[in-house]
Amino acid sequence: DGGITQSPKYLFRKEGQNVTLSCEQNLNHDAMYWYRQDPGQGLRLIYYSQIVNDFQKGDIAEGYSVSREKKESFPLTVTSAQKNPTAFYLCASEPGQGTNEQFFGPGTRLTVL
Amino acid sequence: AQKITQTQPGMFVQEKEAVTLDCTYDTSDQSYGLFWYKQPSSGEMIFLIYQGSYDEQNATEGRYSLNFQKARKSANLVISASQLGDSAMYFCAMTHYNFNKFYFGSGTKLNVKP
Repeated sequence: DGGITQSPKYLFRKEGQNVTLSCEQNLNHDAMYWYRQDPGQGLRLIYYSQIVNDFQKGDIAEGYSVSREKKESFPLTVTSAQKNPTAFYLCASEPGQGTNEQFFGPGTRLTVL
Repeated sequence: AQKITQTQPGMFVQEKEAVTLDCTYDTSDQSYGLFWYKQPSSGEMIFLIYQGSYDEQNATEGRYSLNFQKARKSANLVISASQLGDSAMYFCAMTHYNFNKFYFGSGTKLNVKP
């Protein structure tokens, strides 16, 4: 089945450690996105990529980094520079024209201890 | 600047009744799309309905309809015949044509009472 996978679903890390969240899609979508969601809040855009080897900062990119070496994959690294990394992270993809729905993965809940 | 406003943090509705979730948006573009997503407690985001800015008719998808009032810049979601499974967070979102960024509202938490 086509879709977006994020792994793991729950992730725990010690403060000061970098951690990479996985996002893979087999929908052949050009555009991919990373969002952060805090409890009771909406989604905030971290980074997005419209094509391979290209990505742009979203509204809250500080303390995060991404790569887009393959069309199918858009991993997000939460660095030690991110002040409050504990949150729910959602990855999404979209065909690329900007007028289609975004398809979301199941999310990764990151807790930094 | 905030693009999407959802003014109802939480709402209650009786099972089998209809409910309207409000959404207003801010844009100077003529070409844009409006979306509603449902987020159950499990966290996944489920696409519900889409309305294009040039669509003259309101979008409908089963029990969901979008009350699109372009001049007022509002895109309210109407859920008819509410079910217990409709209890969730609901997000309104907007994107502009030829520009991939999506803007999400802060969400409305809907509770359906038996």
